[in-house]
Amino acid sequence: EAQVTQNPRYLITVTGKKLTVTCSQNMNHEYMSWYRQDPGLGLRQIYYSMNVEVTDKGDVPEGYKVSRKEKRNFPLILESPSPNQTSLYFCASLGPGLAEAFFGQGTRLTVV
Amino acid sequence: KQEVTQIPAALSVPEGENLVLNCSFTDSAIYNLQWFRQDPGKGLTSLLLIQSSQREQTSGRLNASLDKSSGRSTLYIAASQPGDSATYLCAVRGNAGNMLTFGGGTRLMVKP
Repeated sequence: EAQVTQNPRYLITVTGKKLTVTCSQNMNHEYMSWYRQDPGLGLRQIYYSMNVEVTDKGDVPEGYKVSRKEKRNFPLILESPSPNQTSLYFCASLGPGLAEAFFGQGTRLTVV
Repeated sequence: KQEVTQIPAALSVPEGENLVLNCSFTDSAIYNLQWFRQDPGKGLTSLLLIQSSQREQTSGRLNASLDKSSGRSTLYIAASQPGDSATYLCAVRGNAGNMLTFGGGTRLMVKP
């Protein structure tokens, strides 16, 4: 079954404590992406990756890092989380050209 | 830069009505357009995917159309039910860089 798996689903943390949200896909897709969703602002892209070792900034990259060391995994790293990063985060995986996008179930992050 | 707009932002209808949700995009150079459903605080469920060469796609009570030249797509829901209450998002996949751009969503409530 085609799947994008995010972990954890829920996370409460304190300001400044480094955290990583993992994302894994089983479809051998080259393209992966991270979004955050906030009320009234919709889904905004944080970072994306076109392939292994190829990443680029989306619309709201400040305060985030990513890495793509292998095709299936695309972790999102918050080196020093702040309360304005409290949000619902989604990882997406896309096949080539005409293929549909698949999304993970989301990670609800609260930074206090 | 691609911009995607969904109208209306919110819609409340009585059960049984047929309804139309609208999605417009500014750049017609797209691979495809995908409609998603999102329940409050939950993940994105893919409903329909329309390729740029297609005019419409159907799944059960849902029908999505695409007019690429005018930058418009509609999602038609027949005989609406309370279980259809959710936010509906359209996302356009550009053919430059595989970007996936979301509209702001239409929040639908179907009253019994």
